[in-house]
Formats: sequence, C-alpha cells, structure tokens
Amino acid sequence: SQQGEEDPQALSIQEGENATMNCSYKTSINNLQWYRQNSGRGLVHLILIRSNEREKHSGRLRVTLDTSKKSSSLLITASRAADTASYFCATDEGGQNFVFGPGTRLSVLP
Amino acid sequence: GAGVSQTPSNKVTEKGKYVELRCDPISGHTALYWYRQSLGQGPEFLIYFQGTGAADDSGLPNDRFFAVRPEGSVSTLKIQRTERGDSAVYLCASSLTGGATYGYTFGSGTRLTVV
Repeated sequence: SQQGEEDPQALSIQEGENATMNCSYKTSINNLQWYRQNSGRGLVHLILIRSNEREKHSGRLRVTLDTSKKSSSLLITASRAADTASYFCATDEGGQNFVFGPGTRLSVLP
Repeated sequence: GAGVSQTPSNKVTEKGKYVELRCDPISGHTALYWYRQSLGQGPEFLIYFQGTGAADDSGLPNDRFFAVRPEGSVSTLKIQRTERGDSAVYLCASSLTGGATYGYTFGSGTRLTVV
C-alpha cells in the first residue's frame, strides 16, 4: 500500500534557491519521516516529526506537519548541488512500520 | 557495527534459482525491516522483526519469500524459484526499537537481477 504521495514528482532549481517538497497522506499517523536517497544508495534519515508537532528544523532543513490537512512539507534552504537526490516521506499509518511514498526527484543545478 | 551492512551488494541469478540476501543491523537495534525498491519507486515494505520474531510479514508478496532472524541480530531474506519480476533493490533497515517511534538506519541495499 502507498500512504504518502510526494509532490512534485520532479523538481529542478538553481543552486542557492530554496526547494519545497510536499507530502500528502490518507490515514491518521503518529509519526512522519523524511528521507534522502542519492542515486543507487541507501536511504538517509533526515527528520522525524510527531503528530503533536507542527514544525522541526535541522540545519538547512525545515519540516512542517498539518494533521488537519494530512500533509507535510520539506523545505531545503540555500540549496547546493550536493542536495541533488530523491526525497521520500514515510508515514506509520498508526502501525508498526513506515510506508513510503514514490518520492520527489530534486535536481540542483550549479 | 557502525552501520547496517548488506551482502552481497549485487546479485545476478537465473530465473528459477534460490537466493539469500543478508542483513547485519546496528548492534543493539532490536527492530529490523526489509523493504524492496523498484526503479523510480519508493521502498515497499516486506517484513518487520522485533527481536527474533516476525512482528509483521504482511508485505511479503507470496510464499516464495521468507525471512529469518534466528538470534535477533543478522537477518536473511530468502527467495525461492526467483522470477524476473523479483528484480529490485532489497533494502534492510534497523531501528533502536520498533513501533515506528524512531528513524530507520538503512543499509546500501542488495541489487537483485533475475535473468
């Protein structure tokens, strides 16, 4: 089953610009996570946000969560070429494991 | 170990053959997960272990797929009578505890190609 749906599917920006990716989900959740995946590599955990939280920051990353709209956003500020990757949101659907969306492919052009 | 280790990194096998994929999680992590990722898609859940037992195997696609974790650390994903549709990257992740409470640490995956 697929819970989260990222939007857009692909995003291309210039270095230094901000990148915003959105995730929508269908059922109630306890936790939502964002992961990054460089081509051909494993996924790297970025941020976990709990259902009672509205915003979290980590370095240049900012994640928001709106449980009333069942949506989350990931903002990367001052993007760099090294941020080029696929980004996935994952939700727990109130269960014991995380369900991943299809991802957003971000390209940061130098 | 310092991270989640998966072996082999690549595996090419003929249709109909049996394969085993190994995952060595972070020491002390009680929860272990197997996911499968096809090209251009997000990871798809297969099975979740809490300790030695499979807490949730609802993602295994059929009875050709089986996984074990006999001592609560290393896990092996076993695929019988492989089919071309089994070709994918198989990802293993571990977490300090289960219950979707903490983030996962993923291994680099095993790329399985069935020819």
